Amino acid sequence: GAGVSQSPRYKVAKRGQDVALRCDPISGHVSLFWYQQALGQGPEFLTYFQNEAQLDKSGLPSDRFFAERPEGSVSTLKIQRTQQEDSAVYLCASSLNSDDYTFGSGTRLTVV
Amino acid sequence: KQEVTQIPAALSVPEGENLVLNCSFTDSAIYNLQWFRQDPGKGLTSLLLIQSSQREQTSGRLNASLDKSSGRSTLYIAASQPGDSATYLCAVDMDSSYKLIFGSGTRLLVRP
Repeated sequence: GAGVSQSPRYKVAKRGQDVALRCDPISGHVSLFWYQQALGQGPEFLTYFQNEAQLDKSGLPSDRFFAERPEGSVSTLKIQRTQQEDSAVYLCASSLNSDDYTFGSGTRLTVV
Repeated sequence: KQEVTQIPAALSVPEGENLVLNCSFTDSAIYNLQWFRQDPGKGLTSLLLIQSSQREQTSGRLNASLDKSSGRSTLYIAASQPGDSATYLCAVDMDSSYKLIFGSGTRLLVRP
């Protein structure tokens, strides 16, 4: 597609529920990134993939967060046993090189 | 640890005014710095990228400067328009590693 597509756009989860957020990067983009943006804050790095390899997951807040990109294209960010502090916008970005990022519109997760 | 700060947090100006947004960072050993625009409910759009060896970049009514030694960057917007209303974020890349470190942004409102 023309841009990075994320789904769903909005997700309301009850505390303790598991959620899965999807990212469709631009076709051919090798690199894929996940960021978490809390209300009124800048995005914070979560994890980075180069093709199917997860090269850095140092930003994942806890072991409840898990990301995968099994075929080197679509990626899924999974959050288990959601908690209120997980409420944020989750942004996905892809790039062909390290300077040229295209961000998706994000998934707004609200945990109630 | 690199910290990125943006001042002011919010700014309201009348249409036509020239304005300056500020970004400061604590570790001057950056690889590059980018300015992004974020509209409500949308992803981030890259506006200008300044490599560490550069002093400024220009695109249309936008001009970004970089002073690595003092740890500062400014985004100058000339002849502001209501369509410029958005949140402006600066982000630094420390080592071409893909991991951007963002400030909290400046929310700009340009009044007609």
